Amino acid sequence: AQSVTQLDSQVPVFEEAPVELRCNYSSSVSVYLFWYVQYPNQGLQLLLKYLSGSTLVKGINGFEAEFNKSQTSFHLRKPSVHISDTAEYFCAVSDTGGFKTIFGAGTRLFVKA
Amino acid sequence: DVKVTQSSRYLVKRTGEKVFLECVQDMDHENMFWYRQDPGLGLRLIYFSYDVKMKEKGDIPEGYSVSREKKERFSLILESASTNQTSMYLCASSPPGVNTEAFFGQGTRLTVV
Repeated sequence: AQSVTQLDSQVPVFEEAPVELRCNYSSSVSVYLFWYVQYPNQGLQLLLKYLSGSTLVKGINGFEAEFNKSQTSFHLRKPSVHISDTAEYFCAVSDTGGFKTIFGAGTRLFVKA
Repeated sequence: DVKVTQSSRYLVKRTGEKVFLECVQDMDHENMFWYRQDPGLGLRLIYFSYDVKMKEKGDIPEGYSVSREKKERFSLILESASTNQTSMYLCASSPPGVNTEAFFGQGTRLTVV
């Protein structure tokens, strides 16, 4: 069975500092990987996704993530965060043979001035 | 733009009431999903549907049912609301396949008193 672990429930960071939000998954088959963002009082929207090919994936708003198959990780990074990046971030995984996407518990990113 | 619309942002219902949460999407997507979001637990799949009149149980279907009579509409039904069903409910839709982006509604915050 698939599972997703987001290693940090909250990440406080100062504006213009770099940030990494960590995500590990487990699956016995090939997977597709996603990061979604949820701004306050809104639904989720897609930041980026890994389907195949290059392991470095670039998304919207300057975010990127790297797929590491040997470490079963898909960490999200941004070199310089803004106040407006304050939100909750969800890592998600779906396996290539299934119908469901499994979401992690979420990481709350707080960007401080 | 894809739009997924949930009929209510906030609902307050009494224990034992039958509750209907409605979701409509305008992009002709085959797949539709209902999730519940609780702090520290992320998104948990309640039910999904990959075609009209088709439905599949997710990870936490107990106490819920769904209806999909038309492609664009997916309803979540709480047969007899209980206080432990107080939560944020998110509807999503996507094209066929698990490698596709899911588009989310803004959510319905349900309080059962």
